[in-house]
Amino acid sequence: DVKVTQSSRYLVKRTGEKVFLECVQDMDHENMFWYRQDPGLGLRLIYFSYDVKMKEKGDIPEGYSVSREKKERFSLILESASTNQTSMYLCASSSPGINTGELFFGEGSRLTVL
Amino acid sequence: KNQVEQSPQSLIILEGKNCTLQCNYTVSPFSNLRWYKQDTGRGPVSLTIMTFSENTKSNGRYTATLDADTKQSSLHITASQLSDSASYICVVYQAGTALIFGKGTTLSVSS
Repeated sequence: DVKVTQSSRYLVKRTGEKVFLECVQDMDHENMFWYRQDPGLGLRLIYFSYDVKMKEKGDIPEGYSVSREKKERFSLILESASTNQTSMYLCASSSPGINTGELFFGEGSRLTVL
Repeated sequence: KNQVEQSPQSLIILEGKNCTLQCNYTVSPFSNLRWYKQDTGRGPVSLTIMTFSENTKSNGRYTATLDADTKQSSLHITASQLSDSASYICVVYQAGTALIFGKGTTLSVSS
């Protein structure tokens, strides 16, 4: 069964802390994505990656960075968390034919920044 | 502007009843459209994909339609069950460019 695993389901952090959200997929997919989901706004793309060591900005990259050192792992980093980054974060992967292929999502990481 | 609009924003129906969710898009050039189901606190899961040449596709009690001329899609749920309570997200692929997400419809099925 295909699987995208996000390291933490729930996190509570303080303003200014550095936050790491990790995502691992076992489907050998080239493409990986990070979205945030907020009520009334839907899913918004933060960053994506087509290959190891490669990253592209999405629609809302400000305040975030990413790392992809291995094909199966894609990490989202909040260098200095702020309260407006309180959200549900969803990682996804897909096979090439990036936007024609199905997105496989993780269970999500709900981050609260106090 | 490339947009995907879903309606209604939320919907409450009784168990056993049918319902239809709407997705209108202005995305061009169009490649395909997917419907995802997202249970509360979980990640979205694909229900079905509609390509330009397809009008209707069924997946169990879920039936999706696509009218490429009017740029409209619908998701019809037959004989609803409590487990159908979820958010349903319409996603359109703008050929060669990007995935455009709708904001979703939240469906609540009550007994």
